[in-house]
Amino acid sequence: QVQLQESGPGLLKPSETLSLTCAVSGGSISSLNWWSWVRQPPGKGLEWIGEIHHSETTNYNPSLKSRVTISVDEPRNHFSLRLLSVTAADTAVYYCAKIPMTPGTYYMDVWGKGTTVTVSS
Amino acid sequence: QSVLTQPPSVSGAPGQRVTISCTGSSSNIGAGYDVHWYQHLPGTAPKVLIYGNNNRPSGVPDRFSGSKSGTSASLAITGLQAEDEAEYYCQSYDNSLSGGVFGGGTKLTVL
Repeated sequence: QVQLQESGPGLLKPSETLSLTCAVSGGSISSLNWWSWVRQPPGKGLEWIGEIHHSETTNYNPSLKSRVTISVDEPRNHFSLRLLSVTAADTAVYYCAKIPMTPGTYYMDVWGKGTTVTVSS
Repeated sequence: QSVLTQPPSVSGAPGQRVTISCTGSSSNIGAGYDVHWYQHLPGTAPKVLIYGNNNRPSGVPDRFSGSKSGTSASLAITGLQAEDEAEYYCQSYDNSLSGGVFGGGTKLTVL
């Protein structure tokens, strides 16, 4: 059973770069899945950030595309999120999630527990 | 503002039935994309309750069911239990975003 675990700094200052890693255990990141990031700002709903396949094909939310990079590290079996020039609006719980490559449907079947990132001066 | 629209809250007494609606548009649910439902408790990982409109992963009780019609979908929970108290999110795919979209979440309170 695949498990995901997010890690990274919990506190950032405005204009800094957010860097998070999602460790994949119980399965290979090279398997036929997509690997995604989702966030939840305080008091708000879930927001899809983007996703990556082990072939390094990526898709990003257009609202964040200019600041986001998602990358995969196959030897370490993890994938990462970088978000440039953060502001208070980027304060959120960040989740990584697995998207199975099931034809005709798109959903997250495994999630990490999430990591809280706060942007404050 | 979330792409999919859900009521902020619903409530029901133990044993009762409640439904949670999810309304989208022609670029997501109305375009024929599946709707999925997640249960989320604070501090935990969201859990898939329903995938592909009306399919339950193993381990999810048959008290939970999903349906979809047009640009909307619904999650029904029968025989409410105290442990069902949680936040519920719907999710679909959006072809204008080329990615996932979520509802704003519905807080279920078991009275």
